Amino acid sequence: SQKIEQNSEALNIQEGKTATLTCNYTNYSPAYLQWYRQDPGRGPVFLLLIRENEKEKRKERLKVTFDTTLKQSLFHITASQPADSATYLCALDSGGSYIPTFGRGTSLIVHP
Amino acid sequence: EAQVTQNPRYLITVTGKKLTVTCSQNMNHEYMSWYRQDPGLGLRQIYYSMNVEVTDKGDVPEGYKVSRKEKRNFPLILESPSPNQTSLYFCASSPMGTRGRLGAFFGQGTRLTVV
Repeated sequence: SQKIEQNSEALNIQEGKTATLTCNYTNYSPAYLQWYRQDPGRGPVFLLLIRENEKEKRKERLKVTFDTTLKQSLFHITASQPADSATYLCALDSGGSYIPTFGRGTSLIVHP
Repeated sequence: EAQVTQNPRYLITVTGKKLTVTCSQNMNHEYMSWYRQDPGLGLRQIYYSMNVEVTDKGDVPEGYKVSRKEKRNFPLILESPSPNQTSLYFCASSPMGTRGRLGAFFGQGTRLTVV
């Protein structure tokens, strides 16, 4: 069956460091992969999309990589700030519905 | 302002009493979807719709109904709610033609408790 895996353990880092979150998937051939941020009790907010034929995408302090051979995406936040503390979700779509399927998310805690 | 609006935000109801959670988007998006979010289980898709009068089951459709009579509205109906439907529900929409580039837009969530 299709599965999207994100580390269930919270990632704790110090302010100013780079946070790296991982998304692994099995039994998918995603056309694209998205990353979202979710704050407690609120709806996810779209951050970035990377397509199957792209290796890397950047947006301000965010960087996403996509390795379709490893079936993995890495999400980096450079110069992290306490305001970056949230749960980060990866989402995949095979290109059919454009309504993605989500991983369970990884909580990021940035300590001042 | 572009948004997805869900109502109500909070709802406590009793087992078996039919309820509807409304969802409306003002962005003229073709795609709409309902998710439920439970601790440890993440976001799970209930139903989605690719356009008016076109709906399909997601991963956890049992106990739910939807309809898409107008492009902007996508209500979620619980005909006979049960306590295992206590959850945080999100409606989302996304545009066709952008190939996911803009992502999905989410509502503010509806916290449902069934006692």
